This record gives sequence, structure tokens and C-alpha cells, in this order.
Amino acid sequence: NAGVMQNPRHLVRRGGQEARLRCSPMKGHSHVYWYRQLPEEGLKFMVYLQKENIIDESGMPKERFSAEFPKEGPSILRIQQVVRGDSAAYFCASSPTGGAPEAFFGQGTRLTVV
Amino acid sequence: AQSVTQLDSHVSVSEGTPVLLRCNYSSSYSPSLFWYVQHPNKGLQLLLKYTSAATLVKGINGFEAEFKKSETSFHLTKPSAHMSDAAEYFCVVSAPGNNFNKFYFGSGTKLNVKP
Repeated sequence: NAGVMQNPRHLVRRGGQEARLRCSPMKGHSHVYWYRQLPEEGLKFMVYLQKENIIDESGMPKERFSAEFPKEGPSILRIQQVVRGDSAAYFCASSPTGGAPEAFFGQGTRLTVV
Repeated sequence: AQSVTQLDSHVSVSEGTPVLLRCNYSSSYSPSLFWYVQHPNKGLQLLLKYTSAATLVKGINGFEAEFKKSETSFHLTKPSAHMSDAAEYFCVVSAPGNNFNKFYFGSGTKLNVKP
């Protein structure tokens, strides 16, 4: 049973480009969460999605960031017109239900904006 | 409101000596509490969790933690450190949000194990 799969593991973008981060949840999980870890900080909640629905995006920056979780395929976190301050590790987690007390984390995508 | 405070940003111990990583939490609800470990450039691995059952929780790799409601603490301990324990450790509280349990992470404690 594969865990949460994120790709790419490392992503380098120049300022102004777009970054697309992918997350495939664990088999049987339909709830996905994205967290961001800035250097020397803990993880901060960004967004919670179910299939085809954004449930809570209270942690998402107001501009340039968007997330989706289509009926088929992985969840995508998209960052448009990246800036150096977007450099961070982005972690995806999944759970079987929204009320499940724990979530399973992927290995993260480390985004570097040069 | 929910929050987690990890009292030490860095802890250094000698191999074979006990480990204590401190965590205090604040929660408006009966919380679920977790410890995760992150090795350099790796993902997060769940060490142990407390979800309102036994207050002393045993996890993987010899780690355990005790939930103390009166002290709002959930400190992580291990009797004897191993070199492979060197990593960053995150204390996490999970609390009900908008129809889901939102995780609140502490800022992390980096554990250094000296030979």
C-alpha cells in the first residue's frame, strides 16, 4: 500500500514562472491537505480539499496560489508568478475522512525560486 | 484557539543518555496530540499519537510521551538515545476545524546526538 506520493521531490523555478506540485493520496483516502514549511519553521496549514471541492483555504495566500483535487488524478497546488519568498517545502497529507484524527504525510516537494 | 509550543529549538544529548523533548499545547477542545520526526530532506514520520485513550503513549523506535492535562503538556522521551535519532521533531495538536481536524505544528526541536 503506497503512501502519499508527491512529485516532484525538488523543483527549481525562476522568478515569474509557474510551479505545479502534485499529490496522490493514499489509496482509499479522499481528503487532502497541503502544508507549507518555511525555513526554520514548523508546518503551516494552507488548504483542505475533498474530491472536486475546496473545503477550507484559510491558510492560502490571497494571490497567486490555487489548489484543486479533481475527480480523477492527483491534487495540484499551483503557484503562479513565483517569487523568492515562495521557496519552501510543501507537504501534502491525506486521510480517509475529514474527522480522522491523524493524517499521513508525503515526503514533500522542495521548491527553490532562483 | 489551538497552539503548540516546543520549549527548546535545539537539544543535544550523548548517545546512550535519555532524551526529553518538551511540548506544551493550548486547545479549546479535547485534543489529539502527535509527535512527528523529520530526518534531513525527508518527509514526516509519525512517532506516536494520543487520541484520548491511555495517557502514556508508546511509539516507534523506543519513544514514548505522556499526556498531562493539568500541565497541558505532551513531552517526548526516550530512555537511551541512538545516533539515528538525530533529526527534527514536531509536536502537533489536532483540533476540529471546518468539518475536519486541522493540524497545528510546533516550530520544531532539532535533536543532536553526540557519539
